[in-house]
Amino acid sequence: GQQLNQSPQSMFIQEGEDVSMNCTSSSIFNTWLWYKQDPGEGPVLLIALYKAGELTSNGRLTAQFGITRKDSFLNISASIPSDVGIYFCAGLNTNAGKSTFGDGTTLTVKP
Amino acid sequence: DTAVSQTPKYLVTQMGNDKSIKCEQNLGHDTMYWYKQDSKKFLKIMFSYNNKELIINETVPNRFSPKSPDKAHLNLHINSLELGDSAVYFCASSRQGGRLSNEQFFGPGTRLTVL
Repeated sequence: GQQLNQSPQSMFIQEGEDVSMNCTSSSIFNTWLWYKQDPGEGPVLLIALYKAGELTSNGRLTAQFGITRKDSFLNISASIPSDVGIYFCAGLNTNAGKSTFGDGTTLTVKP
Repeated sequence: DTAVSQTPKYLVTQMGNDKSIKCEQNLGHDTMYWYKQDSKKFLKIMFSYNNKELIINETVPNRFSPKSPDKAHLNLHINSLELGDSAVYFCASSRQGGRLSNEQFFGPGTRLTVL
């Protein structure tokens, strides 16, 4: 099946720093999604990307759909304590009809 | 207004028991999912239903049986619970068709602990 490699697995940063995480795949996806999971909650969609090369922002978050369609990254600028959580990428190939999730990046922000 | 709800939030039970987790969505979506999140926080899809029909079954033991009485509900029944079933189970839903079908809305999760 399709596999996603998400990195880094965890990050410990100081408040105010920028964050970057990415996902790569050996397969092509036609949609990339980024979710955030707060402790004790379900994942919530942050950004959806539908076109190779697309760059989309949501507040301090910016995500890009790689040109090769095999990767995507998420940047968070000027991190704040409420950015803490697990960030998941998900790739979707509509032919497969399901999303494949990365293993998550756990973000810790120190005040 | 809760979009995707699950009950119970916590479930603690003995090995060998049978239990059910309920999921309801009020978003008018046609597709519903069950995911399992293990202790390492890996999120793995188990089942997907579209308009009450099973469309994805990811090599889940047949002790797990999803049931969809209508397109707003997808319940998960687990027979003969094992220690390894302990995890957080998430229900999710999405629209059918079109770009927005890719965007899933997750419930708050059910933490299952098997003793």
